[in-house]
Amino acid sequence: GQNIDQPTEMTATEGAIVQINCTYQTSGFNGLFWYQQHAGEAPTFLSYNVLDGLEEKGRFSSFLSRSKGYSYLLLKELQMKDSASYLCAVRDLGAPKAAGNKLTFGGGTRVLVKP
Amino acid sequence: EPEVTQTPSHQVTQMGQEVILRCVPISNHLYFYWYRQILGQKVEFLVSFYNNEISEKSEIFDDQFSVERPDGSNFTLKIRSTKLEDSAMYFCASSEDPGGTGGEAFFGQGTRLTVV
Repeated sequence: GQNIDQPTEMTATEGAIVQINCTYQTSGFNGLFWYQQHAGEAPTFLSYNVLDGLEEKGRFSSFLSRSKGYSYLLLKELQMKDSASYLCAVRDLGAPKAAGNKLTFGGGTRVLVKP
Repeated sequence: EPEVTQTPSHQVTQMGQEVILRCVPISNHLYFYWYRQILGQKVEFLVSFYNNEISEKSEIFDDQFSVERPDGSNFTLKIRSTKLEDSAMYFCASSEDPGGTGGEAFFGQGTRLTVV
């Protein structure tokens, strides 16, 4: 099974940087995803890591260390619209017959951006 | 931009009734999923579907649940006899080959199911 931990809530100021950490313990690992979810809406894909290191996409970057079971999402130049929950999700290797993308989600980190 | 669409956006049903939640995945995707999110809780995997059969399901997905791809575009989740605890937001998702360069899942806007 999977166990995924991330902080419940973080507050930051507009224009600042926030780092959201995620730790996981898994029985198998086939990639880690970060999603953004505004209240009452669907999760939207932000980033994907399967190898160790940093992936950068504009204002968002994500880092992975498989040996440590650790990832972080870095949000730079925060904007008010970045106020949302950020979900860390791990894709496992799945059952032998499985062909798919089963994701196990953490509880999400609610980020509040203040002026 | 292609998107996953779900209908209805809201559904209120009486306990014990059957409900069918509908989804149209992105057209060139081959893998389909249902997830649910009880209010204030984490997103939970229900079932994955590939090549016209269930490829994996969670403990939540018991005999009350079923999925179907009745035609080339729709993907449905049926709950046979709803319980109060089935009240949640149900998300449909689809993806390309997950073993490739990411195969991220794209989520629909969800159906909020309320069982009364």
